[in-house]
Amino acid sequence: KQEVTQIPAALSVPEGENLVLNCSFTDSAIYNLQWFRQDPGKGLTSLLLIQSSQREQTSGRLNASLDKSSGRSTLYIAASQPGDSATYLCAVIPSGTYKYIFGTGTRLKVLA
Amino acid sequence: EAGVAQSPRYKIIEKRQSVAFWCNPISGHATLYWYQQILGQGPKLLIQFQNNGVVDDSQLPKDRFSAERLKGVDSTLKIQPAKLEDSAVYLCASSLDGLAVPMYEQYFGPGTRLTVT
Repeated sequence: KQEVTQIPAALSVPEGENLVLNCSFTDSAIYNLQWFRQDPGKGLTSLLLIQSSQREQTSGRLNASLDKSSGRSTLYIAASQPGDSATYLCAVIPSGTYKYIFGTGTRLKVLA
Repeated sequence: EAGVAQSPRYKIIEKRQSVAFWCNPISGHATLYWYQQILGQGPKLLIQFQNNGVVDDSQLPKDRFSAERLKGVDSTLKIQPAKLEDSAVYLCASSLDGLAVPMYEQYFGPGTRLTVT
């Protein structure tokens, strides 16, 4: 059974810091991995999607990497801003299924 | 392009009452998902539709939850009767084709926050 874990559960950093959020999954057989952002009271916004054949994806200040063999993904946020404060969720789709398994998220607070 | 629409945004009911949520996916998206997100947890898939057929409802508590997607567009999720543990945010998402490989992205609506007292 696929399980997704995100560490840390919460993180506070001063503005301008570079930071890394971690996601680990127990079964390396996945179709893809996706990182989402969730603001309080809002739905999920897709940040980056990495196909199983890819190693990383970049969008602006965000970079996500995928190492299937070790069951890990990292989301790197460069030069963090207060507007980056949100909960970040990762999700995988196990091979042979069509549904996302979500982690519990990392709650990020960037202090001005 | 309009996003996924959901209503209502908030609902407070007493236990044993019934409630219904509505979702309108992005135009042209064949796949529609309903998720339950309990506070402090990640979303959990309740049911997945491909057009108007059910692909996966293995985690839907069928004794009290039901969902339909008539005509393969809008969808409703119903809870009858509600329990305290049903308090959660109910998220609807859609994708172009949830059965395609490589997978298409899912797009989420704002959710409905349900409080059962």
